[in-house]
Amino acid sequence: GQSLEQPSEVTAVEGAIVQINCTYQTSGFYGLSWYQQHDGGAPTFLSYNGLDGLEETGRFSSFLSRSDSYGYLLLQELQMKDSASYFCAVRDRRGGSYIPTFGRGTSLIVHP
Amino acid sequence: IAGITQAPTSQILAAGRRMTLRCTQDMRHNAMYWYRQDLGLGLRLIHYSNTAGTTGKGEVPDGYSVSRANTDDFPLTLASAVPSQTSVYFCASSSTSGGYNEQFFGPGTRLTVL
Repeated sequence: GQSLEQPSEVTAVEGAIVQINCTYQTSGFYGLSWYQQHDGGAPTFLSYNGLDGLEETGRFSSFLSRSDSYGYLLLQELQMKDSASYFCAVRDRRGGSYIPTFGRGTSLIVHP
Repeated sequence: IAGITQAPTSQILAAGRRMTLRCTQDMRHNAMYWYRQDLGLGLRLIHYSNTAGTTGKGEVPDGYSVSRANTDDFPLTLASAVPSQTSVYFCASSSTSGGYNEQFFGPGTRLTVL
């Protein structure tokens, strides 16, 4: 089986830096992805880590340590519009197919 | 059509009724997915299709069926709806089913089963 653990809620103030952690257990590993979802909206892709290290995209960065089965999403210079849910996701190989699995999501609340 | 669309946007359904949720993408993506999203439970995979003509079961397939007759369409059918199927349903697609796999999501269908 597979499972992902991430905090249910994180709060921060505008302009700050916040880190959302994700630990995973999978029978295989084919990369860690992050998605953002605003209330009432659809999830949108943020980043993907297939190898260890840091991937940076503007204010957002994502990190992966395969040896620790751990990754995180780092959001810098927080803005009010960053208030949303953030999901980590992995792909597991099962029966010859790649099956995506999402964590339960972290609700980020940004205060002025 | 631009991207991935779903219909209907929302639906209230009597228990026991049959319902098909529609999903269409125009990106020529091989892989398509159906998820349900319930508060506190994240996105759970119902069924998937890696290419036209093939389908597979996800984490929560019971009570649902899918078909993939062509690349663009991936309908989800509830044969006999039950209240526990009240949820928001998202369809998604990706160019491949392999490791790097950005999924594009439709706007969702909010389904209430009474």
